[in-house]
Amino acid sequence: DGGITQSPKYLFRKEGQNVTLSCEQNLNHDAMYWYRQDPGQGLRLIYYSQIVNDFQKGDIAEGYSVSREKKESFPLTVTSAQKNPTAFYLCASIEKGGYTEAFFGQGTRLTVV
Amino acid sequence: GQNIDQPTEMTATEGAIVQINCTYQTSGFNGLFWYQQHAGEAPTFLSYNVLDGLEEKGRFSSFLSRSKGYSYLLLKELQMKDSASYLCAVNSNSGYALNFGKGTSLLVTP
Repeated sequence: DGGITQSPKYLFRKEGQNVTLSCEQNLNHDAMYWYRQDPGQGLRLIYYSQIVNDFQKGDIAEGYSVSREKKESFPLTVTSAQKNPTAFYLCASIEKGGYTEAFFGQGTRLTVV
Repeated sequence: GQNIDQPTEMTATEGAIVQINCTYQTSGFNGLFWYQQHAGEAPTFLSYNVLDGLEEKGRFSSFLSRSKGYSYLLLKELQMKDSASYLCAVNSNSGYALNFGKGTSLLVTP
């Protein structure tokens, strides 16, 4: 079955450590996105990528980094520069052109202590 | 960037009809999406509008007016399970950025 997978579902890290969140899709989608969601808030765009080896900053890219070495994979690294990293992180993918729905992973809840 | 505005909260009664509005200002437009999200879960797709008019899918309908930068989601025959957050998202054709509003939290009461 095609889909988009995020792992892990829950992640705990100590303050000051970098952490990488995984996002893999087998839908053959060109565009992939990372969002952050805080309690009671909407989704805020961190980074997005339309093609391999290319990505653009969203509204809240500071303290985050991404790579897109393969079409299927779009990992997000939360660096120690991100001041408030505790949040729910969602990855999504969409066909090129954006004429269809975005498919979401199950999300990763990151807690930094 | 884009401005996407939705009411923060709404309350409606089981069996009733509710309309959730969304207004947007974008530098380009490639479609508008509505998603439903239950607490702690990923959003699920409800509807997509790219042309003006009404799209109907069972109990859910979505309307778009591109000239007014306006959309609404209409939920009919409300059920308790419809209590959730409803997210409006706009796909800008300037790079296919998919931006979301802050969401409308809908509470359905008996």
